[in-house]
Amino acid sequence: DAKTTQPPSMDCAEGRAANLPCNHSTISGNEYVYWYRQIHSQGPQYIIHGLKNNETNEMASLIITEDRKSSTLILPHATLRDTAVYYCIVRTWGGKLIFGQGTELSVKP
Amino acid sequence: DTAVSQTPKYLVTQMGNDKSIKCEQNLGHDTMYWYKQDSKKFLKIMFSYNNKELIINETVPNRFSPKSPDKAHLNLHINSLELGDSAVYFCASSRVGQGGAEAFFGQGTRLTVV
Repeated sequence: DAKTTQPPSMDCAEGRAANLPCNHSTISGNEYVYWYRQIHSQGPQYIIHGLKNNETNEMASLIITEDRKSSTLILPHATLRDTAVYYCIVRTWGGKLIFGQGTELSVKP
Repeated sequence: DTAVSQTPKYLVTQMGNDKSIKCEQNLGHDTMYWYKQDSKKFLKIMFSYNNKELIINETVPNRFSPKSPDKAHLNLHINSLELGDSAVYFCASSRVGQGGAEAFFGQGTRLTVV
């Protein structure tokens, strides 16, 4: 079973920041938080991951709370092409990614 | 160059047939996976191979048999196909053992059993 909880859906206006929350209250000290997205039944695409510190790359930023029980994925300037299902995943040792239901993000003009 | 490639992209077959899906990665990764995404869009891991050795085998009917001839390939053979096997199957690869390594997914094989 997935170890994360996400809202099933969210809307965001084009050009605005999209903030996608995730709860992972049972995360272990050596487990990473990963974010993937799946655009229209394509293969899931890696976005970003982190352990303790906040992370930023060309796609997004990841904010992890100090107690590591929750995190937020931030897409700073959402575009229509960011419409997708976003998965927050806690990665166990050995690389097994367990996908939950994810958040269906709709970016609207 | 496609990092993780699967063939075929679409597969329509009759119940009872045997079929294979092939997967190849050119990323030099040592671990490969098969995932199944059903009609409700849930993505579930089926198998994982590390250096040609099976390391994860979820509760999957033994009609499904993965085969890894080398580190770059992980094929999925399905015997006696059933209607419930209809789904999209995704192959993925990563470097295992390093917690920060991301997985790369193929574009999927849409299997329809009629």
